[in-house]
Amino acid sequence: KQEVTQIPAALSVPEGENLVLNCSFTDSAIYNLQWFRQDPGKGLTSLLLIQSSQREQTSGRLNASLDKSSGRSTLYIAASQPGDSATYLCAATQGGSEKLVFGKGTKLTVNP
Amino acid sequence: DAGITQSPRYKITETGRQVTLMCHQTWSHSYMFWYRQDLGHGLRLIYYSAAADITDKGEVPDGYVVSRSKTENFPLTLESATRSQTSVYFCASYEGLAGNNEQFFGPGTRLTVL
Repeated sequence: KQEVTQIPAALSVPEGENLVLNCSFTDSAIYNLQWFRQDPGKGLTSLLLIQSSQREQTSGRLNASLDKSSGRSTLYIAASQPGDSATYLCAATQGGSEKLVFGKGTKLTVNP
Repeated sequence: DAGITQSPRYKITETGRQVTLMCHQTWSHSYMFWYRQDLGHGLRLIYYSAAADITDKGEVPDGYVVSRSKTENFPLTLESATRSQTSVYFCASYEGLAGNNEQFFGPGTRLTVL
């Protein structure tokens, strides 16, 4: 059974800092891993999807990497801004299926 | 509007009542999912559907019923609501592994069972 863990649960940084959010998963037989952003009281917005055959994906100031052998993914945010404050969720497919298993998220606060 | 919509956005009901949450997507995605989000548990899969008339249980299906007579709609019914079903419910859709693998989420329905 796939289990996804995100550490830390909360992170507070000053504006402009580069930061890394961590995600680990127990079953390396994934189809893909997806990073989401969730603002308070809102739905989930897809940020990046990494296919199992890929090592990383980039979108603007965001870069996500995937290391299946170690069961880890990282989300790198460059030059953080107050508008980046949100909860970031990582989700990995459950071995051999399309079902996503979610971590509990990292709540990021970027202070001006 | 293109995308995935949920209705109602907010619902208050009483224990024992039947409640149906609606989900509609305009992309003709094959897969649709229902999740609930609770503090301390994160997002958990309730039911999912791979196509019209094909549904399967997720991690927490007890107390819920789904149907999918049309590709674009995936309603979730609480047959006899309980306080433990107070939660935020999210619907999602997905094209499938042969296409774009991203899951796209609706805005959520906040359900309170008194």
